Amino acid sequence: AQSVTQLDSQVPVFEEAPVELRCNYSSSVSVYLFWYVQYPNQGLQLLLKYLSGSTLVKGINGFEAEFNKSQTSFHLRKPSVHISDTAEYFCAGIQGGSEKLVFGKGTKLTVNP
Amino acid sequence: GAGVSQSPSNKVTEKGKDVELRCDPISGHTALYWYRQSLGQGLEFLIYFQGNSAPDKSGLPSDRFSAERTGGSVSTLTIQRTQQEDSAVYLCASSLAPSQSAFFGQGTRLTVV
Repeated sequence: AQSVTQLDSQVPVFEEAPVELRCNYSSSVSVYLFWYVQYPNQGLQLLLKYLSGSTLVKGINGFEAEFNKSQTSFHLRKPSVHISDTAEYFCAGIQGGSEKLVFGKGTKLTVNP
Repeated sequence: GAGVSQSPSNKVTEKGKDVELRCDPISGHTALYWYRQSLGQGLEFLIYFQGNSAPDKSGLPSDRFSAERTGGSVSTLTIQRTQQEDSAVYLCASSLAPSQSAFFGQGTRLTVV
């Protein structure tokens, strides 16, 4: 069973609209959760992470995510997107027991003018 | 260096040849990961090294794939008798500890012709 699930493979939105990219994790994943971004033709970089503490985590470029234990979710949000946010976004978590970092299949965000 | 370094950045090889991909992690990082990224497939976990522990090889797709990490630092991923389906971007990442953020290299784009 997949440990981290990204429910949407592609999300098109218009510039300045809000966006939410969904991520759910299974019980096999510990509560160390991450969002990474991959801009076109570039490597992956960390957007934000949740290790403990406040369930609302703020990251770079105006993104934030909320850890919800009861819904086993870690959705990524931005209130107003820019064209430059067009990229692929990956949710990741540490798999309990093995300690390896596992990724969802990614969500391609396309911001249109 | 300041970041994770991978070499070569691009590799074109003939079917049936062996290839070696190199990863230089960030100094002091004990955890090292290899992933494969194919079009539309997200990040596929290959292998994970943590300190002096036995590596987690559960993601290696076949016995043609192997990896080693010498002296707890540099890692080499070897693919023997390459096949066309091995064509992908191979990504390396390292982190201070399994629960900490992983930093990615730019990847090696492997093309098997």
